[in-house]
Amino acid sequence: EVQVVESGGGLVKPGGSLRLSCAASGFPFSTYHMNWVRQAPGKGLEWVSSIRSDSRSTYYAESLKGRFTISRDNAKNSLYLQINSLRAEDTAVYYCAREGYGDSAEAFDVWGQGTMVTVSS
Amino acid sequence: QSVLTQPPSASGTPGQRVTISCSGSSSNIGSHYVYWYQQLPGTAPKLLIYKNDQRPSGVPDRFSGSRSGTSASLDISGLRSEDEADYYCAAWDDSLRGRVFGGGTKLTVL
Repeated sequence: EVQVVESGGGLVKPGGSLRLSCAASGFPFSTYHMNWVRQAPGKGLEWVSSIRSDSRSTYYAESLKGRFTISRDNAKNSLYLQINSLRAEDTAVYYCAREGYGDSAEAFDVWGQGTMVTVSS
Repeated sequence: QSVLTQPPSASGTPGQRVTISCSGSSSNIGSHYVYWYQQLPGTAPKLLIYKNDQRPSGVPDRFSGSRSGTSASLDISGLRSEDEADYYCAAWDDSLRGRVFGGGTKLTVL
């Protein structure tokens, strides 16, 4: 079964750091571009970051540059998101999403169930 | 304020046809593919339409997408109660050099 499973969320104090993980299975992870998308409570979807299959290129939402770092380990079929200097407005469910290949390139065709990050003192 | 503009809500009765709009600009919808995602209550988003009007396998043909100029739309025909969900459009934006989502439209089946 093709799936991605996020982990690493939790309650963090403002100014703290967190590393989210996404474990992929059921597909050749190393050939797919990957993304992080977040959703604040009761709000819409917000694209956070993407990384190419070979890690050569990374992209970030303009408003989030500097505090977020996306990375991957193809040997471990894993995607990561390091978040530093956490703020209350970073409170959200963070989704890992696979970017489609071939005809469905650029589409986010596989999503995880999300991991909740709560920033509060 | 989202770069892509969607109506916050839409509604219809079972069997009806509903259209959800998504308005953008030349830097996004006007020059890039549009994608639509469905998010059922309490679940992760799901790809509904890709490359403006293509349906992934398993998506009923009641769902269709289109793009014209700097706007796109999602049509849902033969509305069913299980279609009650939030719908999001998305595209790449040249100015922001990243993906952008619409604010989402909450569809209610009356």
